[in-house]
Amino acid sequence: KQEVTQIPAALSVPEGENLVLNCSFTDSAIYNLQWFRQDPGKGLTSLLLIQSSQREQTSGRLNASLDKSSGRSTLYIAASQPGDSATYLCAVSFLDNQGGKLIFGQGTELSVKP
Amino acid sequence: DTGVSQDPRHKITKRGQNVTFRCDPISEHNRLYWYRQTLGQGPEFLTYFQNEAQLEKSRLLSDRFSAERPKGSFSTLEIQRTEQGDSAMYLCASSSRRYEQFFGPGTRLTVL
Repeated sequence: KQEVTQIPAALSVPEGENLVLNCSFTDSAIYNLQWFRQDPGKGLTSLLLIQSSQREQTSGRLNASLDKSSGRSTLYIAASQPGDSATYLCAVSFLDNQGGKLIFGQGTELSVKP
Repeated sequence: DTGVSQDPRHKITKRGQNVTFRCDPISEHNRLYWYRQTLGQGPEFLTYFQNEAQLEKSRLLSDRFSAERPKGSFSTLEIQRTEQGDSAMYLCASSSRRYEQFFGPGTRLTVL
């Protein structure tokens, strides 16, 4: 069964700290991986998309890496701010599904304290 | 480009009633997905359309659920004879080919 796992489920850090969120997946045959942000009661905002041929993607203070062989991705957030507080979701599209549906992890709830 | 929109944003209904949700994807996107998210969990895939064709359905989509995408534009998701277990956030996403998926704001369903 193809599964995506995110650890930890919740994380609290002081403002300004650099942090890493983890995502692991059970099948290395992936098409792409997306990181999303979700604010309470809202929809998902796409942060970064990494194709299977890529090792990392960067957007502003965010950097996502991908290691297919170990089945892992990390989202690095530099100089965290209170506005970064949200739930971060990792989602994988596996190669054997032509439709491209995403399999999601349970998310990491991030709280950045002023 | 106004993004993916969903209507209504909130729906409260009594058990046994039928409800219908609408999703308008990004105009040039030919792929449309429905997901369901319960509190504290990641979204779970329900069904997928490529243009007007419904190409995949999850086993989560019981026979009380039906989805359509007439003319390959907007999509509707109908739940018949709602149950309390149907209470969730229903999310719609669209993409071009197998590229990045963009999500709408969701419809929060509460079944009393």
